[in-house]
Amino acid sequence: DTAVSQTPKYLVTQMGNDKSIKCEQNLGHDTMYWYKQDSKKFLKIMFSYNNKELIINETVPNRFSPKSPDKAHLNLHINSLELGDSAVYFCASSRRLVGGELFFGEGSRLTVL
Amino acid sequence: GENVEQHPSTLSVQEGDSAVIKCTYSDSASNYFPWYKQELGKRPQLIIDIRSNVGEKKDQRIAVTLNKTAKHFSLHITETQPEDSAVYFCAVADASYDKVIFGPGTSLSVIP
Repeated sequence: DTAVSQTPKYLVTQMGNDKSIKCEQNLGHDTMYWYKQDSKKFLKIMFSYNNKELIINETVPNRFSPKSPDKAHLNLHINSLELGDSAVYFCASSRRLVGGELFFGEGSRLTVL
Repeated sequence: GENVEQHPSTLSVQEGDSAVIKCTYSDSASNYFPWYKQELGKRPQLIIDIRSNVGEKKDQRIAVTLNKTAKHFSLHITETQPEDSAVYFCAVADASYDKVIFGPGTSLSVIP
């Protein structure tokens, strides 16, 4: 059973397009996150949600819009894709907001051409 | 905000030797310090963590030490094996900021 699953695993698209990445966790955790990992491997937090409520929006352009329909799901929609959006996007979940283990999904590699 | 630095950025060791990776942070209120391992093409996974009320923690071949006064903590891997080759990330969390900040990572290569 996959604890944190995200789809799609790979995404190749043209500049200006809109795309979505979906994430689901079956761990019963209250908190979910989106992290961006760039080509230099830096892991940067983008958003966190606690029980469907947005907690952190880490100065991400508003072309990125997260949505949490329930506490087991956190989706990421990206409008007007730019070359600099190319990265691996990791979804993660944790039992509590801070001070708990982060369980990462497999990552979604987005390539913008 | 919190600033997390990690050294070295790359590290090569012979199999069986020890490896040490050091992290420094800026916010003295930070109180949770995990380490994550990311193998090539895989997801980051927690390998060990330490909280601010503890100075050292060990789990088999890996250990973490924390110096709160100096605001640094280190990962120690003994008797390294080729499967230890990966990128290691330190991280820092602070309840008041509600987030985990990762260091830039250390690429460890264990040479058989």
